[in-house]
Amino acid sequence: AQSVTQLDSQVPVFEEAPVELRCNYSSSVSVYLFWYVQYPNQGLQLLLKYLSGSTLVKGINGFEAEFNKSQTSFHLRKPSVHISDTAEYFCAVSGIGSGNTGKLIFGQGTTLQVKP
Amino acid sequence: GAVVSQHPSRVICKSGTSVKIECRSLDFQATTMFWYRQFPKKSLMLMATSNEGSKATYEQGVEKDKFLINHASLTLSTLTVTSAHPEDSSFYICSARGVRDRSNQPQHFGDGTRLSIL
Repeated sequence: AQSVTQLDSQVPVFEEAPVELRCNYSSSVSVYLFWYVQYPNQGLQLLLKYLSGSTLVKGINGFEAEFNKSQTSFHLRKPSVHISDTAEYFCAVSGIGSGNTGKLIFGQGTTLQVKP
Repeated sequence: GAVVSQHPSRVICKSGTSVKIECRSLDFQATTMFWYRQFPKKSLMLMATSNEGSKATYEQGVEKDKFLINHASLTLSTLTVTSAHPEDSSFYICSARGVRDRSNQPQHFGDGTRLSIL
Protein backbone atom coordinates (compact mmCIF):
# COMPACT_ATOMS: atom_id res chain seq x y z
CA ALA A 1 0.00 0.00 0.00
CA GLN A 2 1.05 3.57 -0.59
CA SER A 3 0.45 6.82 1.21
CA VAL A 4 1.32 10.43 0.43
CA THR A 5 1.87 13.31 2.80
CA GLN A 6 1.94 16.91 1.70
CA LEU A 7 3.51 18.72 4.58
CA ASP A 8 1.98 22.15 3.99
CA SER A 9 -1.75 22.70 3.65
CA GLN A 10 -1.26 26.33 2.57
CA VAL A 11 1.73 28.16 1.15
CA PRO A 12 1.44 31.93 0.77
CA VAL A 13 4.09 33.55 -1.39
CA PHE A 14 4.62 36.86 -3.13
CA GLU A 15 4.62 37.13 -6.89
CA GLU A 16 7.99 36.47 -8.53
CA ALA A 17 9.31 34.72 -5.43
CA PRO A 18 10.45 31.09 -5.54
CA VAL A 19 8.30 28.38 -4.04
CA GLU A 20 8.65 24.78 -2.91
CA LEU A 21 5.72 22.48 -2.20
CA ARG A 22 6.73 19.45 -0.20
CA CYS A 23 5.66 15.87 -0.76
CA ASN A 24 6.72 12.70 1.00
CA TYR A 25 5.48 9.22 0.31
CA SER A 26 5.65 5.72 1.71
CA SER A 27 5.34 2.49 -0.20
CA SER A 28 6.30 -1.14 0.07
CA VAL A 29 6.95 -1.23 -3.70
CA SER A 30 8.53 1.09 -6.22
CA VAL A 31 6.31 3.92 -7.35
CA TYR A 32 5.66 6.38 -10.10
CA LEU A 33 5.21 9.94 -8.89
CA PHE A 34 3.03 12.74 -10.18
CA TRP A 35 2.14 16.34 -9.45
CA TYR A 36 -1.27 17.67 -10.49
CA VAL A 37 -2.77 21.18 -10.32
CA GLN A 38 -6.44 21.92 -9.75
CA TYR A 39 -8.04 25.28 -10.41
CA PRO A 40 -11.37 26.10 -8.68
CA ASN A 41 -14.24 23.88 -9.76
CA GLN A 42 -12.14 22.08 -12.32
CA GLY A 43 -10.54 18.70 -12.70
CA LEU A 44 -6.86 17.96 -12.41
CA GLN A 45 -4.14 18.87 -14.86
CA LEU A 46 -0.84 17.02 -14.93
CA LEU A 47 2.16 19.20 -14.13
CA LEU A 48 4.88 16.58 -14.31
CA LYS A 49 5.71 12.96 -13.61
CA TYR A 50 8.64 10.83 -12.54
CA LEU A 51 8.80 7.34 -13.98
CA SER A 52 12.51 6.53 -14.08
CA GLY A 53 15.86 7.98 -15.08
CA SER A 54 16.93 11.48 -14.14
CA THR A 55 15.66 12.42 -10.73
CA LEU A 56 15.04 16.02 -11.75
CA VAL A 57 11.96 16.31 -13.90
CA LYS A 58 10.65 19.40 -15.60
CA GLY A 59 7.00 20.04 -16.24
CA ILE A 60 4.67 22.63 -17.63
CA ASN A 61 4.39 26.24 -16.53
CA GLY A 62 8.00 26.36 -15.34
CA PHE A 63 7.57 23.79 -12.56
CA GLU A 64 10.12 21.11 -11.74
CA ALA A 65 10.41 18.39 -9.13
CA GLU A 66 13.17 16.24 -7.74
CA PHE A 67 12.80 12.63 -6.75
CA ASN A 68 14.82 11.67 -3.70
CA LYS A 69 14.59 7.96 -3.07
CA SER A 70 16.48 7.94 0.20
CA GLN A 71 14.22 10.61 1.65
CA THR A 72 11.13 9.28 -0.16
CA SER A 73 10.36 12.80 -1.29
CA PHE A 74 9.19 14.46 -4.48
CA HIS A 75 9.15 18.20 -3.82
CA LEU A 76 7.76 20.60 -6.39
CA ARG A 77 9.56 23.87 -7.13
CA LYS A 78 9.22 26.98 -9.23
CA PRO A 79 11.87 29.72 -9.29
CA SER A 80 9.42 32.58 -9.84
CA VAL A 81 5.67 32.30 -9.34
CA HIS A 82 2.87 34.26 -11.00
CA ILE A 83 -0.55 35.23 -9.75
CA SER A 84 -1.98 32.66 -12.17
CA ASP A 85 -0.20 29.88 -10.27
CA THR A 86 -2.68 30.29 -7.41
CA ALA A 87 -4.36 26.89 -7.21
CA GLU A 88 -4.48 23.59 -5.36
CA TYR A 89 -1.56 21.24 -5.95
CA PHE A 90 -1.69 17.51 -5.43
CA CYS A 91 1.13 15.01 -5.20
CA ALA A 92 0.22 11.45 -6.17
CA VAL A 93 1.83 8.03 -6.38
CA SER A 94 1.07 4.88 -8.27
CA GLY A 95 2.52 1.51 -7.30
CA ILE A 96 4.58 -0.42 -9.82
CA GLY A 97 4.30 -4.11 -10.52
CA SER A 98 1.79 -6.87 -10.89
CA GLY A 99 -1.33 -6.37 -8.85
CA ASN A 100 -1.11 -2.61 -9.13
CA THR A 101 -3.92 -1.28 -11.29
CA GLY A 102 -2.35 2.08 -11.82
CA LYS A 103 -4.67 3.77 -9.40
CA LEU A 104 -3.43 7.00 -7.92
CA ILE A 105 -3.06 7.72 -4.24
CA PHE A 106 -3.23 11.45 -3.59
CA GLY A 107 -1.83 13.64 -0.89
CA GLN A 108 -4.02 16.05 0.99
CA GLY A 109 -3.23 18.91 -1.31
CA THR A 110 -1.41 22.22 -0.86
CA THR A 111 -3.06 25.54 -1.57
CA LEU A 112 -0.60 27.90 -3.22
CA GLN A 113 -1.62 31.52 -2.69
CA VAL A 114 0.37 33.98 -4.76
CA LYS A 115 0.08 37.55 -3.56
CA PRO A 116 0.81 40.65 -5.63
CA GLY B 1 -5.40 15.11 -27.27
CA ALA B 2 -6.59 12.89 -24.40
CA VAL B 3 -9.70 14.89 -23.56
CA VAL B 4 -12.15 13.63 -20.97
CA SER B 5 -15.60 15.18 -20.83
CA GLN B 6 -17.74 14.94 -17.74
CA HIS B 7 -21.43 15.78 -17.70
CA PRO B 8 -23.21 17.46 -16.07
CA SER B 9 -20.83 19.96 -14.55
CA ARG B 10 -23.30 20.84 -11.85
CA VAL B 11 -26.51 19.29 -10.60
CA ILE B 12 -28.88 20.26 -7.83
CA CYS B 13 -31.66 17.88 -6.90
CA LYS B 14 -33.97 16.83 -4.11
CA SER B 15 -33.19 14.17 -1.57
CA GLY B 16 -34.21 10.71 -2.75
CA THR B 17 -33.46 11.39 -6.39
CA SER B 18 -31.03 9.23 -8.37
CA VAL B 19 -28.42 11.14 -10.32
CA LYS B 20 -26.35 9.90 -13.25
CA ILE B 21 -22.96 11.38 -14.12
CA GLU B 22 -21.31 10.61 -17.44
CA CYS B 23 -17.61 10.42 -18.20
CA ARG B 24 -16.54 10.27 -21.83
CA SER B 25 -13.16 9.97 -23.47
CA LEU B 26 -13.50 12.13 -26.55
CA ASP B 27 -10.43 11.33 -28.61
CA PHE B 28 -9.16 8.05 -27.26
CA GLN B 29 -10.41 4.68 -26.09
CA ALA B 30 -10.35 4.24 -22.34
CA THR B 31 -10.05 0.70 -21.04
CA THR B 32 -9.91 1.93 -17.47
CA MET B 33 -11.79 4.74 -15.81
CA PHE B 34 -11.53 5.89 -12.24
CA TRP B 35 -14.13 7.68 -10.13
CA TYR B 36 -13.07 10.02 -7.33
CA ARG B 37 -14.91 12.00 -4.71
CA GLN B 38 -13.54 15.25 -3.37
CA PHE B 39 -14.80 17.00 -0.27
CA PRO B 40 -14.24 20.75 0.18
CA LYS B 41 -10.61 21.56 0.89
CA LYS B 42 -9.83 17.87 0.83
CA SER B 43 -7.95 15.44 -1.31
CA LEU B 44 -9.39 13.12 -3.91
CA MET B 45 -10.68 9.83 -2.61
CA LEU B 46 -10.75 6.97 -5.10
CA MET B 47 -14.19 5.40 -5.10
CA ALA B 48 -13.84 2.73 -7.75
CA THR B 49 -11.96 1.53 -10.78
CA SER B 50 -13.96 0.44 -13.79
CA ASN B 51 -12.72 -1.61 -16.71
CA GLU B 52 -14.67 -1.77 -19.93
CA GLY B 53 -16.96 -4.76 -20.05
CA SER B 54 -16.44 -5.91 -16.47
CA LYS B 55 -17.67 -5.06 -13.02
CA ALA B 56 -16.15 -2.13 -11.22
CA THR B 57 -13.75 -2.63 -8.35
CA TYR B 58 -14.82 -0.56 -5.37
CA GLU B 59 -12.55 0.78 -2.67
CA GLN B 60 -13.11 -0.24 0.88
CA GLY B 61 -15.97 1.63 2.49
CA VAL B 62 -17.68 2.63 -0.76
CA GLU B 63 -21.23 1.28 -1.06
CA LYS B 64 -21.65 -0.58 -4.33
CA ASP B 65 -25.42 -0.33 -4.25
CA LYS B 66 -25.26 3.38 -3.56
CA PHE B 67 -22.78 4.28 -6.26
CA LEU B 68 -23.52 2.27 -9.38
CA ILE B 69 -20.79 2.30 -12.00
CA ASN B 70 -21.20 1.15 -15.57
CA HIS B 71 -18.44 1.04 -18.17
CA ALA B 72 -20.27 -0.34 -21.17
CA SER B 73 -18.02 1.00 -23.91
CA LEU B 74 -14.45 2.12 -24.43
CA THR B 75 -15.50 5.77 -24.37
CA LEU B 76 -18.17 5.98 -21.70
CA SER B 77 -18.47 5.27 -18.01
CA THR B 78 -21.36 6.35 -15.81
CA LEU B 79 -21.71 6.85 -12.08
CA THR B 80 -25.24 6.75 -10.69
CA VAL B 81 -25.80 8.00 -7.17
CA THR B 82 -28.93 6.17 -6.13
CA SER B 83 -31.46 7.70 -3.72
CA ALA B 84 -29.14 10.60 -3.07
CA HIS B 85 -29.11 12.33 0.31
CA PRO B 86 -27.49 15.57 1.47
CA GLU B 87 -24.43 13.71 2.72
CA ASP B 88 -23.78 12.60 -0.87
CA SER B 89 -23.23 16.21 -1.87
CA SER B 90 -19.69 16.49 -3.16
CA PHE B 91 -17.46 17.08 -6.15
CA TYR B 92 -17.15 13.93 -8.25
CA ILE B 93 -14.30 13.59 -10.73
CA CYS B 94 -13.62 10.90 -13.28
CA SER B 95 -10.38 10.02 -15.00
CA ALA B 96 -9.49 7.72 -17.83
CA ARG B 97 -6.50 5.82 -19.11
CA GLY B 98 -6.19 4.81 -22.74
CA VAL B 99 -5.96 1.40 -24.32
CA ARG B 100 -2.31 1.86 -25.10
CA ASP B 101 -1.45 3.47 -21.80
CA ARG B 102 0.55 1.49 -19.37
CA SER B 103 -0.02 1.75 -15.67
CA ASN B 104 2.75 4.31 -15.44
CA GLN B 105 0.99 6.73 -17.71
CA PRO B 106 -0.97 9.57 -16.18
CA GLN B 107 -4.69 9.52 -16.02
CA HIS B 108 -6.66 12.14 -17.92
CA PHE B 109 -9.17 13.93 -15.75
CA GLY B 110 -12.60 15.33 -16.44
CA ASP B 111 -13.61 18.73 -15.09
CA GLY B 112 -15.74 17.26 -12.34
CA THR B 113 -19.41 17.35 -11.35
CA ARG B 114 -20.62 19.41 -8.43
CA LEU B 115 -23.51 17.48 -6.87
CA SER B 116 -25.75 19.28 -4.39
CA ILE B 117 -28.57 17.39 -2.70
CA LEU B 118 -31.21 19.52 -1.01
